[in-house]
Amino acid sequence: SQKIEQNSEALNIQEGKTATLTCNYTNYSPAYLQWYRQDPGRGPVFLLLIRENEKEKRKERLKVTFDTTLKQSLFHITASQPADSATYLCALGMDSSYKLIFGSGTRLLVRP
Amino acid sequence: DAGVIQSPRHEVTEMGQEVTLRCKPISGHDYLFWYRQTMMRGLELLIYFNNNVPIDDSGMPEDRFSAKMPNASFSTLKIQPSEPRDSAVYFCASSTRTALNYGYTFGSGTRLTVV
Repeated sequence: SQKIEQNSEALNIQEGKTATLTCNYTNYSPAYLQWYRQDPGRGPVFLLLIRENEKEKRKERLKVTFDTTLKQSLFHITASQPADSATYLCALGMDSSYKLIFGSGTRLLVRP
Repeated sequence: DAGVIQSPRHEVTEMGQEVTLRCKPISGHDYLFWYRQTMMRGLELLIYFNNNVPIDDSGMPEDRFSAKMPNASFSTLKIQPSEPRDSAVYFCASSTRTALNYGYTFGSGTRLTVV
């Protein structure tokens, strides 16, 4: 069956450290992968997109990797801050249709 | 642009009643998506439109759910009759394929409670 797995347990880290979140998928062949941030009571907000032919993408303190062999994406936040505390969602996109399939998200807590 | 606008923000209704959720997408976006989010199932795609035409409604739970997009600036999601298991946060999102690098823009959602 098709699955997208993100760590359901919250990730709790100290301010200033690097947060690494994982997104694994099974029985999908995504053309691209997106990461979103969601705060309580709000809709998801787009952060980054990485395509299947790209290994890594960076934006300010954010870095995303995409390994189509391992069927995995890693999302890194360097020099984390308490304001980075939120739920982070990965989403798979297919070229055959323009729709995103979302993972269930990982909650990140950054302690001051 | 004010972003994707959803109304109402909160809706509490009794089982069996009809519920209508509304969405105004970003001007110029030709794709509109309806998602439902629950703790158990996460964010599920219900239906999406391209140029006001429904493209994929395979995520719509059952015949009690219907969605329309009469024009480029308005869409509705209707549940009739509503049931307690429909309680969730319903999100509308819009996008355009030519701006894939900008992702989807989501509204703030409608929290539906069916009692």
